[in-house]
Amino acid sequence: GQNIDQPTEMTATEGAIVQINCTYQTSGFNGLFWYQQHAGEAPTFLSYNVLDGLEEKGRFSSFLSRSKGYSYLLLKELQMKDSASYLCAPDNYGQNFVFGPGTRLSVLP
Amino acid sequence: ETGVTQTPRHLVMGMTNKKSLKCEQHLGHNAMYWYKQSAKKPLELMFVYSLEERVENNSVPSRFSPECPNSSHLFLHLHTLQPEDSALYLCASSQDRAPGEEQYFGPGTRLTVT
Repeated sequence: GQNIDQPTEMTATEGAIVQINCTYQTSGFNGLFWYQQHAGEAPTFLSYNVLDGLEEKGRFSSFLSRSKGYSYLLLKELQMKDSASYLCAPDNYGQNFVFGPGTRLSVLP
Repeated sequence: ETGVTQTPRHLVMGMTNKKSLKCEQHLGHNAMYWYKQSAKKPLELMFVYSLEERVENNSVPSRFSPECPNSSHLFLHLHTLQPEDSALYLCASSQDRAPGEEQYFGPGTRLTVT
């Protein structure tokens, strides 16, 4: 089976940096997805990590440690539009796709 | 525009009604998915189709019946639902059902069962 854990809610200030953690235990693992979901909208793809380490993509970076079953999403220079839920999803080779519970991020002025 | 459309966007139905949700993808993908998203619960995978063949059914009650007539269209037929089935139903597609394939989601159908 799979067990995925994320903080339920986080709050940060505009312009700040925030780190959203995800821990997971899965029976099979190829990589890890991060998706963003604004309230009332569909999830959209942010990143996919296969190798250990940090991958940077503009203001968003994603980190993976395969041995620790741990990932985080790092958001820099926060903007109000970054207020959304962030979902991590371990990839079991494209099978048994399971999303984490999501972290709802509120960015305050 | 994500290339995945869903209709209707909102649906209210009684427990004795029969209705269908429709999903269409214009991306040439081979895999399609139905998800349920309830308030304060994780996104739950319901059904997976790969090349029009159902490959996964995550113990979903029989009152939900999927249909995939071709690789571009996916339906979810609903009958005798319960109030706890009220949720956002999301359709998604991916190029294939393979490692690393990102999923493209439709806007969802907000279902209310009265």
